[in-house]
Formats: sequence, C-alpha cells, structure tokens
Amino acid sequence: DVKVTQSSRYLVKRTGEKVFLECVQDMDHENMFWYRQDPGLGLRLIYFSYDVKMKEKGDIPEGYSVSREKKERFSLILESASTNQTSMYLCASSLFGTQETQYFGPGTRLLVL
Amino acid sequence: EDKVVQSPLSLVVHEGDTVTLNCSYEVTNFRSLLWYKQEKKAPTFLFMLTSSGIEKKSGRLSSILDKKELFSILNITATQTGDSAVYLCADYNTDKLIFGTGTRLQVFP
Repeated sequence: DVKVTQSSRYLVKRTGEKVFLECVQDMDHENMFWYRQDPGLGLRLIYFSYDVKMKEKGDIPEGYSVSREKKERFSLILESASTNQTSMYLCASSLFGTQETQYFGPGTRLLVL
Repeated sequence: EDKVVQSPLSLVVHEGDTVTLNCSYEVTNFRSLLWYKQEKKAPTFLFMLTSSGIEKKSGRLSSILDKKELFSILNITATQTGDSAVYLCADYNTDKLIFGTGTRLQVFP
C-alpha cells in the first residue's frame, strides 16, 4: 500500500511567519503534488513536481514555494503566512503521469491568525 | 476496483457549439466527483460535486451529478477555441484521486 505522510495534522501560525509543510511518500513515485482544499472551492493544485528538483506551478501558486531535494520528500513553504492561507493542505503522489491515480496524505489543517 | 469512464474520448466542434461531456463511475465509498481541464502538464480544477441534482456553474461551464445513476455531465456552451483541452473527471475519496480516461475537445474557429 502506498503511504503518504504529512508532518503535522494541525498547525496554528501567526501572520507573517514562515511555514513549512512536509510530505513524504514511500513508494518511489515520480510525481508529488500539493493541494489546498477549501469549502465550495474543491481541491486546487498549488504546485507539483515530476522529478527531483523539478517543479511546476498549479492553479494557485501565489504566496507559496516548494522544494523537492529528494524523491520521497516534497515541501510546501509559505514564505509569509497570511490569513487567507488558512486552509486544509493535502499532499499527494502518483507513480508516473499527472493523470494517474494520486494517493493522498491525511492533510494538514493550517490556521493563520 | 474503482473505475471512472468518460465519453466521448474525442470531440471536434466549431466555435459557438454547445458540448456535453459524460463521466460515469463505479467506486466504493464515493465522496465527491471532480472535473478538471488539462492543457499543459497538470489538470486545472473546475468543479467539485458531492450532492445529486445541484448544478454548479462557472461562466459558460456547468456540471451536475447524479448519484443514483452514477454519472456526471460537464456542459460547455458557446464554445471558444480556448476551450480546447482534455477534460478529466475524477473520483476523490480523501485518500485517492482516480482519474477517468479523459475527453479531448477541439474547438475550431
């Protein structure tokens, strides 16, 4: 079974803080994704990575950056957290293509005060 | 095994036409169905549907879900060349996102 883990389930930060969300997958998947999920807005892609050190912007990359130094780890960084970044953040991975089944981690619920 | 099937596989229309894309699914523990548009490397989110019979609209695009018959449709009215893309539906049940086969839409002037 694919296992995708995220570093925190709940996080509370203050406006302006730098926030790191970590994601690790154990199935040697090529692709990794960061989404945010908001009520009524569904699942929106922030960034994805199709290889180590490779990244591409998704639907809503503004205010975020990512890092993929190792194949199994994909980090999402909020350089200066703002209240409109309060959301559920979900990491996913897929073996090859972005249209293949993506496996999700449990999510991190981030509250920015 | 969970399955998401889309039809038609391919569609060619002229600008101004209205198109209907179909998505049927057979999944255990259904939670929601998502529609995406893919023009480049990764799909762009369009709609998330969780309840039957409630239409979601965004400009010329609209979508509806029928949980009894296990299908969804995506309508695009007054198509434009910029609507040319692959449209994907996907079953999302919080630990997996399973994509359908996709419908390639080509809109000619």
